[in-house]
Amino acid sequence: ELKVEQNPLFLSMQEGKNYTIYCNYSTTSDRLYWYRQDPGKSLESLFVLLSNGAVKQEGRLMASLDTKARLSTLHITAAVHDLSATYFCAGRENTDKLIFGTGTRLQVFP
Amino acid sequence: EPEVTQTPSHQVTQMGQEVILRCVPISNHLYFYWYRQILGQKVEFLVSFYNNEISEKSEIFDDQFSVERPDGSNFTLKIRSTKLEDSAMYFCASSDWGPGDPQETQYFGPGTRLLVL
Repeated sequence: ELKVEQNPLFLSMQEGKNYTIYCNYSTTSDRLYWYRQDPGKSLESLFVLLSNGAVKQEGRLMASLDTKARLSTLHITAAVHDLSATYFCAGRENTDKLIFGTGTRLQVFP
Repeated sequence: EPEVTQTPSHQVTQMGQEVILRCVPISNHLYFYWYRQILGQKVEFLVSFYNNEISEKSEIFDDQFSVERPDGSNFTLKIRSTKLEDSAMYFCASSDWGPGDPQETQYFGPGTRLLVL
């Protein structure tokens, strides 16, 4: 069964800095999702990556997918406090269900 | 912008009691899901529902769980006899495209926090 691992689990970063969250998955996933979750809130869809080499950007966040390496990355550029949240990646193995990673709790401080 | 809604936002119940969690998916969506998230842990799939029947369910979704779409707008999750370990945040999600479709994205509701005492 598909397994999805994220690292790091916790990330504390200073405003203005860049960092990358990594999402590895164990078997073929027909797509890769990134979601954001604020404390006590629901999951907000950020990106859907469908194919090898896919890159999507929204504001300071950029996601990419390398299906050969079974790796997706979420890159944060010049972090701001508003980006503080937990970020989840999720894959799917030709079934209905999304398999979520453990999440990366990001805290951006001044 | 259309969104998935869920009621109640919080529910406290005694072990062994039945609970019904309610969801109103986005109106033109056809695919419906329940997930749960135990505090501090990852989000786990429970069940998917399409065309008035369960499409897929996880091993968590045992005989104590059931889902229903009683009318054209609501989608419910029932837990017949709650256990302590059922305490979690339950998320409903919906999609207008089916699994496998390139345009498919699951949109999540705000969740119901269930506490079983």
